[in-house]
Amino acid sequence: ETGVTQSPTHLIKTRGQQVTLRCSSQSGHNTVSWYQQALGQGPQFIFQYYREEENGRGNFPPRFSGLQFPNYSSELNVNALELDDSALYLCASSPRQGYTEAFFGQGTRLTVV
Amino acid sequence: AQSVTQLGSHVSVSEGALVLLRCNYSSSVPPYLFWYVQYPNQGLQLLLKYTSAATLVKGINGFEAEFKKSETSFHLTKPSAHMSDAAEYFCAVSDRGGYNKLIFGAGTRLAVHP
Repeated sequence: ETGVTQSPTHLIKTRGQQVTLRCSSQSGHNTVSWYQQALGQGPQFIFQYYREEENGRGNFPPRFSGLQFPNYSSELNVNALELDDSALYLCASSPRQGYTEAFFGQGTRLTVV
Repeated sequence: AQSVTQLGSHVSVSEGALVLLRCNYSSSVPPYLFWYVQYPNQGLQLLLKYTSAATLVKGINGFEAEFKKSETSFHLTKPSAHMSDAAEYFCAVSDRGGYNKLIFGAGTRLAVHP
């Protein structure tokens, strides 16, 4: 059984650019959530996707957007990057909406310069 | 609104000593509670979870946690620390409806010295 995989593992972008991060959910999981973990802090919920629809969003501006595809993989897009967007971005998948456990990937380390 | 407070951003213990990492939560509804561990440059691994069955929950690697509703606490313990336990530990809470987003504490970094 393949776990949650994220790509790329590391990324450096310039302020003002756009970035796309990718996540393949664990086999059979139809729900994907994204979290931002700034250095020295706990992860913060960005949003969740269920059956290709956004299903819940945290306190993040609209320049953070996402997609979920029919195979349940997902993308996180961030426009107009700011220095404070530098963080570890974590993807987590669950077998179904409302399942008690989330399975996390290794994360993508984004650095904005 | 739900929230999690982890007391002590850094905890240091000797190898073989008791590990105690503190977590208090705030929730207006019966919560689900979790402890995750994060090793350097890695994602989060679930140690254990409380979902309203037994209040004493046993997890992986010898860790356990006790849900105490009266104290709104979910402290993590391990009787004997091992060097490999050195990592960042996060307590998290989620609600029981909707999409079960996780709300994390700020984390506690555990150091284990010989």
